[in-house]
Amino acid sequence: DAGVIQSPRHEVTEMGQEVTLRCKPISGHNSLFWYRQTMMRGLELLIYFNNNVPIDDSGMPEDRFSAKMPNASFSTLKIQPSEPRDSAVYFCASSRIFRGSTNTEAFFGQGTRLTVV
Amino acid sequence: AQSVAQPEDQVNVAEGNPLTVKCTYSVSGNPYLFWYVQYPNRGLQFLLKYITGDNLVKGSYGFEAEFNKSQTSFHLKKPSALVSDSALYFCAVRLRIYNQGGKLIFGQGTELSVKP
Repeated sequence: DAGVIQSPRHEVTEMGQEVTLRCKPISGHNSLFWYRQTMMRGLELLIYFNNNVPIDDSGMPEDRFSAKMPNASFSTLKIQPSEPRDSAVYFCASSRIFRGSTNTEAFFGQGTRLTVV
Repeated sequence: AQSVAQPEDQVNVAEGNPLTVKCTYSVSGNPYLFWYVQYPNRGLQFLLKYITGDNLVKGSYGFEAEFNKSQTSFHLKKPSALVSDSALYFCAVRLRIYNQGGKLIFGQGTELSVKP
């Protein structure tokens, strides 16, 4: 398996523009996480899905952020409109919940480095 | 609130010496515990996990971690550090499905620097 695939790897956009980050989880994984990493705040959990259903989005900073998982092999994180303070590395991770147990590790993508100017 | 604490932003160790990276947690129930490592410009890589049983867990690259339920700690250790171990280390807890559907929470990370 190719692992968790994120695109793009780098994104530079102007303030006010819409940004869409994409994630393809590992095949067979049914749990997906979106994280944001910055020097100031470390690794923050934004939202996570189980079986394509959002379970907890309490980490989403504002209404400007939205995430979807239309099927088991694709998820998006959208920022509209973007602001300079959204500049960070965004990671997607996936894992498998097997027989209701969450003792499995998550696998991370390479991340998307977002710069909003 | 559920949280994971890594009290040291940075740990400095001489090559060949033992290393310890500390982690404590505050969550309800009995979570599963993990350690990850991040090299520059890369995603996080899984090192080891504690599920149940023996309190000493062995993982990749010679790392091990000791679980202490009474102290709610899960410290990462290695008997002899290598320069190549220099990286950012994250402790994480994953809640059980009946609590929060498997929420995976990370500490703020500890920068490990191993000098020759």
